[in-house]
Amino acid sequence: EAQVTQNPRYLITVTGKKLTVTCSQNMNHEYMSWYRQDPGLGLRQIYYSMNVEVTDKGDVPEGYKVSRKEKRNFPLILESPSPNQTSLYFCASSLSWTGAGYGYTFGSGTRLTVV
Amino acid sequence: DQQVKQNSPSLSVQEGRISILNCDYTNSMFDYFLWYKKYPAEGPTFLISISSIKDKNEDGRFTVFLNKSAKHLSLHIVPSQPGDSAVYFCAARNTGNQFYFGTGTSLTVIP
Repeated sequence: EAQVTQNPRYLITVTGKKLTVTCSQNMNHEYMSWYRQDPGLGLRQIYYSMNVEVTDKGDVPEGYKVSRKEKRNFPLILESPSPNQTSLYFCASSLSWTGAGYGYTFGSGTRLTVV
Repeated sequence: DQQVKQNSPSLSVQEGRISILNCDYTNSMFDYFLWYKKYPAEGPTFLISISSIKDKNEDGRFTVFLNKSAKHLSLHIVPSQPGDSAVYFCAARNTGNQFYFGTGTSLTVIP
C-alpha cells in the first residue's frame, strides 16, 4: 500500500530532551515536507526537500532540523524541544514539486507534547 | 500574516445540496492551488487542484473555481453526501515552492 509512515503517533517529552520524528514513504516520491498544525493557524511548512541531500526552510523552521540522506526517509529533529513546539506534526510527500495535479500524500500525524 | 484565509470555520449543509467552501489569498504570485480533506485522527488527503492558468477544474462531484482578479478560490461539492463531512483545507504554492495552507473549514453534511 502506498503510504507515508510517521513514528511515533504520540509523544510526550520534557523541555530540552532531543527527539526525532521519523518519516518514510514507499512511493519513490522526490518531494517531502514537514508541517505543523496549530489551532487557528492551519498547516505551516517547517522544512521541505526536493530530492536527496536537498533541503530548504519553510515558513517556521526555527528549532527544527531535517536530513534527506535517502529518498524514502525524511526525519524531523528537535535538538532542544520547547513547550511552544507542542503541536500536531505531519510529514508529506509528492511525486513532483512542479506542475499541476501532484498533490501531497500525508502521514497520519504525530502529536507532540513538550512539558 | 496569513497568506491564505478560510474565513468560515464551519459550514452545515443538507445531504444532496451543494456545499461551497471559500478561500481567499493575498499573494498574486501563487501559481498552484489545492484542496485537501481531513478526517479526525488522519492526515489530510489530496482532493483536487488547479493551476493559476485555469479558472475551473472538475473531478466528479468536486469542482474548484479560481478567480485570480479577486484572489479567491472556491470548492463546490454537488451533491453533498454525509461522507463528505470533514475539515477542508485550501493551499497555495508560491514560485519559491513553499505551500501555504488556510486554517480549514469544518463541513457537516446533515442526512
